[in-house]
Amino acid sequence: AQKVTQAQTEISVVEKEDVTLDCVYETRDTTYYLFWYKQPPSGELVFLIRRNSFDEQNEISGRYSWNFQKSTSSFNFTITASQVVDSAVYFCALSPAIGAGSYQLTFGKGTKLSVIP
Amino acid sequence: DSGVTQTPKHLITATGQRVTLRCSPRSGDLSVYWYQQSLDQGLQFLIQYYNGEERAKGNILERFSAQQFPDLHSELNLSSLELGDSALYFCASSNGTGLLGNQPQHFGDGTRLSIL
Repeated sequence: AQKVTQAQTEISVVEKEDVTLDCVYETRDTTYYLFWYKQPPSGELVFLIRRNSFDEQNEISGRYSWNFQKSTSSFNFTITASQVVDSAVYFCALSPAIGAGSYQLTFGKGTKLSVIP
Repeated sequence: DSGVTQTPKHLITATGQRVTLRCSPRSGDLSVYWYQQSLDQGLQFLIQYYNGEERAKGNILERFSAQQFPDLHSELNLSSLELGDSALYFCASSNGTGLLGNQPQHFGDGTRLSIL
């Protein structure tokens, strides 16, 4: 069975601070995919990143960066110089690997980020 | 805009009733996934269809059913509704096949179902 744990339920930061959202996962698969999604107050789910288990290189996209460490089963998400528009609930998710036939996502409970002006 | 369209956006009904939620996937996507988001259970996978056929089932109640039509749109049918079925129901689509690997799922805006 797959499991995703986001231990931080809620985080508040002041604008321009950096913030890291933690994600720890469990899976018996040797290959798998990890995702981050953003859910702003308007409710939609926005895809941010997909990372396969073969690739442990960190990734940066603008103010966003992701740190994947297979040894600790973690896939953490850092927002640099946070902005009010970053306020949202962020979900980490895990799915089976290539050839599994179905790639349903197992989500963590989410971390609610509030950026205070 | 994800390209995934869900209707209706809001649905209010009473216990015991039946409703149908509709989803149109992104152009070219063959896979449709349904998820339920509730306060107590979080985001949970319900069911997946790929090119008209059921591919996987998650925590879907027997009172719930789904189908995917030849034009690839999908419907989620919820019957004998209970108060606990109140939730946000998401549809997601992807171009996921075994050959292409696990393509990201793109989500619709959801249907908020309220049971009175």
